[in-house]
Amino acid sequence: AQSVTQLGSHVSVSEGALVLLRCNYSSSVPPYLFWYVQYPNQGLQLLLKYTSAATLVKGINGFEAEFKKSETSFHLTKPSAHMSDAAEYFCAVSTAGGTSYGKLTFGQGTILTVHP
Amino acid sequence: DGGITQSPKYLFRKEGQNVTLSCEQNLNHDAMYWYRQDPGQGLRLIYYSQIVNDFQKGDIAEGYSVSREKKESFPLTVTSAQKNPTAFYLCASSMDRLNTEAFFGQGTRLTVV
Repeated sequence: AQSVTQLGSHVSVSEGALVLLRCNYSSSVPPYLFWYVQYPNQGLQLLLKYTSAATLVKGINGFEAEFKKSETSFHLTKPSAHMSDAAEYFCAVSTAGGTSYGKLTFGQGTILTVHP
Repeated sequence: DGGITQSPKYLFRKEGQNVTLSCEQNLNHDAMYWYRQDPGQGLRLIYYSQIVNDFQKGDIAEGYSVSREKKESFPLTVTSAQKNPTAFYLCASSMDRLNTEAFFGQGTRLTVV
């Protein structure tokens, strides 16, 4: 079984400030972890993914995340927020191989607001 | 361009009617998925298919049905048995059992009145 918890359903930052979105996961097998972004009334776009290679993962639009096994965390960060980063962000976990590969379990989502 | 196409983008139906949402992919991916999104609840898996002519129930399959007669197509039918069908529906696909990154369509917003 696997699960994802995103701490904070809403996060508000000023333009230029650090963005930190928190994600903790639970998985009985080594996980694959993902961050997706969703703009209103659109599908999800992949920001970055962890698939057991480097623990610090760099993604698109200046985002990065660090896999910490001891803390079961995969927090998303960006050094300097831009107005265009305002969206909803989802953390997700899946496994590879086996009979249920690719099934994503999502967190509840975090809405990021960026103030000028 | 390769991708996933969902149609229509907006769909309105009367209560008690079945409705079918279309999902087509030209990425040559093995697996396809249907998710339902409700505000504040993230995305929940309805059905998934890892191979043609085979599919599995997800976490909230009741009131839904699917078929996978072709690799590129995975239509979802919302039946009259689904008690609360109004939602945003997202289709996704992934390449194979080792490359599990999911690619999403633009979604279909279903409103049942």
